[in-house]
Amino acid sequence: QVHLKESGPGLVKPSETLSLTCTVSGAPITSSSYYWAWIRQSPQKGLECIGSIYFSGSTYSNPSLKSRVTMSIDTSKQQFSLKLASVTAADTAIYYCARQGGIAVSGTMGWFDPWGQGTLVTVSS
Amino acid sequence: SYVVTQPPSVSVAPGKTARITCGEDNIETRTVYWYQQKPGQAPVLVIYYDYERPSGIPERFSGSNSGNTATLTISGVEAGDEGDYFCQVWDPSSDPLFGGGTKLTVL
Repeated sequence: QVHLKESGPGLVKPSETLSLTCTVSGAPITSSSYYWAWIRQSPQKGLECIGSIYFSGSTYSNPSLKSRVTMSIDTSKQQFSLKLASVTAADTAIYYCARQGGIAVSGTMGWFDPWGQGTLVTVSS
Repeated sequence: SYVVTQPPSVSVAPGKTARITCGEDNIETRTVYWYQQKPGQAPVLVIYYDYERPSGIPERFSGSNSGNTATLTISGVEAGDEGDYFCQVWDPSSDPLFGGGTKLTVL
């Protein structure tokens, strides 16, 4: 059974960079059938997909966040990571990592399952 | 911008049928996914490709997509089905989009 778990600071100061890591267990992160995604949830914006990454390093990013997002993957550690730069209070949310299946070659399309338990990140001074 | 619309809440008595809708012009041309989120938990996929059920999801959960409305139907609703339900599509720009969610209350 695939299991994902997020880790990283729960508090980030405005204008700084949010950094999170997701550790995958129970399945190889190098599977050709999946991308690995970051999704956040806040009362203001609801569920919002931030982006996703393939084991080769190919990425998809939501256009609304693309200029601030950096994603990376470490297949030897079964981990993938998210960096979100220049954060503001509007970036306060629960951040989830998830496996993205049913993908097209471009990394788009498909569903998100399973999800990690989520981690709350608060942006505040 | 592309928006999918869900009713904020749906209430149903135990044992009855709940129908949760996800609307947009010609949504039938989109593939719809549905997620269940119980309080304090992460979302769980309950329907993919409009009507397919992942393994482990009860047959009571079904989906359809026609015209301007996609529907998640839960038959024989149980107290444990309470939670928020979200639809998800990929918009015309191939960006993922979630509906605002529907809170299901079992009376």
